Amino acid sequence: AQRVTQPEKLLSVFKGAPVELKCNYSYSGSPELFWYVQYSRQRLQLLLRHISRESIKGFTADLNKGETSFHLKKPFAQEEDSAMYYCALSGSGNTGKLIFGQGTTLQVKP
Amino acid sequence: EPEVTQTPSHQVTQMGQEVILRCVPISNHLYFYWYRQILGQKVEFLVSFYNNEISEKSEIFDDQFSVERPDGSNFTLKIRSTKLEDSAMYFCASSAGGANTEAFFGQGTRLTVV
Repeated sequence: AQRVTQPEKLLSVFKGAPVELKCNYSYSGSPELFWYVQYSRQRLQLLLRHISRESIKGFTADLNKGETSFHLKKPFAQEEDSAMYYCALSGSGNTGKLIFGQGTTLQVKP
Repeated sequence: EPEVTQTPSHQVTQMGQEVILRCVPISNHLYFYWYRQILGQKVEFLVSFYNNEISEKSEIFDDQFSVERPDGSNFTLKIRSTKLEDSAMYFCASSAGGANTEAFFGQGTRLTVV
């Protein structure tokens, strides 16, 4: 079965602290993993995807196939990073269907 | 910057009534999706649509649901006879390609069935 798990509903850190948002997945083929973010009163938007191996807004995520994880990391959190973060897996076939995790609310305190 | 637009932002309907949720995807996109999020739960895939037909649908997308692209710009989700459990936020999305392509989401329609 295809599944994405984000074990933390809420992660609260102070500004300048490192952040790691956990994501584990279950998928039988070669996964395509994404992180989407939803800032307050805004729409869901793509933050980054594993295939592009880029850093966006200081965030990075490495696909670890051995641990079936795709954790999102940032060395120094900023207040503007406060948002809901969703890990997502692109399902089998070419339809582009996304399977989402439950989401983690990141709260960065001043 | 082009955006996916959904109307209405909030819809209240009585149980058993039909509702149509509307979406205008980004104009040069070819793949269209509906997702829903029940309060406190995860975003769930409902259906994908490509080349004027459903390409994939989830178990949630039963006979009460249908999608249509009536005029080449709008993409609609119809729920024939709403139930209380259909209350959720419904998101439309579109992408230029299929798998591994960024999906652009609308701001959502909050459907409340009373």
